[in-house]
Amino acid sequence: GQNIDQPTEMTATEGAIVQINCTYQTSGFNGLFWYQQHAGEAPTFLSYNVLDGLEEKGRFSSFLSRSKGYSYLLLKELQMKDSASYLCAVMDSNYQLIWGAGTKLIIKP
Amino acid sequence: DGGITQSPKYLFRKEGQNVTLSCEQNLNHDAMYWYRQDPGQGLRLIYYSQIVNDFQKGDIAEGYSVSREKKESFPLTVTSAQKNPTAFYLCASSATMGWGSYEQYFGPGTRLTVT
Repeated sequence: GQNIDQPTEMTATEGAIVQINCTYQTSGFNGLFWYQQHAGEAPTFLSYNVLDGLEEKGRFSSFLSRSKGYSYLLLKELQMKDSASYLCAVMDSNYQLIWGAGTKLIIKP
Repeated sequence: DGGITQSPKYLFRKEGQNVTLSCEQNLNHDAMYWYRQDPGQGLRLIYYSQIVNDFQKGDIAEGYSVSREKKESFPLTVTSAQKNPTAFYLCASSATMGWGSYEQYFGPGTRLTVT
């Protein structure tokens, strides 16, 4: 079966750095997406990785290792507005997104 | 402003009634999707459509129906056959469905409560 695993909840301090991990087992791989979702709202796109390595976009970076079935999202200089759920999703061989359950990130002052 | 609209934001229905959730996009996207989100679970695909007048079942299509008569619109009907319809429903679209960084854009969602 297809499976995406990420921690249920993480807590971090304002101004700090946090890394959210995602491991996956899917039938085929056509890229990995990270989305941010505030409570009760729609997910918004953060990043896309299809090749191994690190993609940096401002305070957010995303890393992929296809051989290990592993990705992480790195958030730097945390702000209170970063409190949200972070969703990892893999595009499988049918070009459908398989979603993890999301990691709820709590930022403390 | 381009985007996806869903209405209503909150919907209450009695058990045994069919209900239709609307989804409209003005992004000129070919592909549209319906997901269901439940607490503690990832988004699950209900139906998707790659082109007008064509749609495919996702992982949890039982008890749901869709139509795609116009490129902009992809309404979802939750029928009385759906055993556990209370959930947060998200509509999304992407430029196409295939190779590449075709991220999906989401509407604001409809929270359906059936009692």
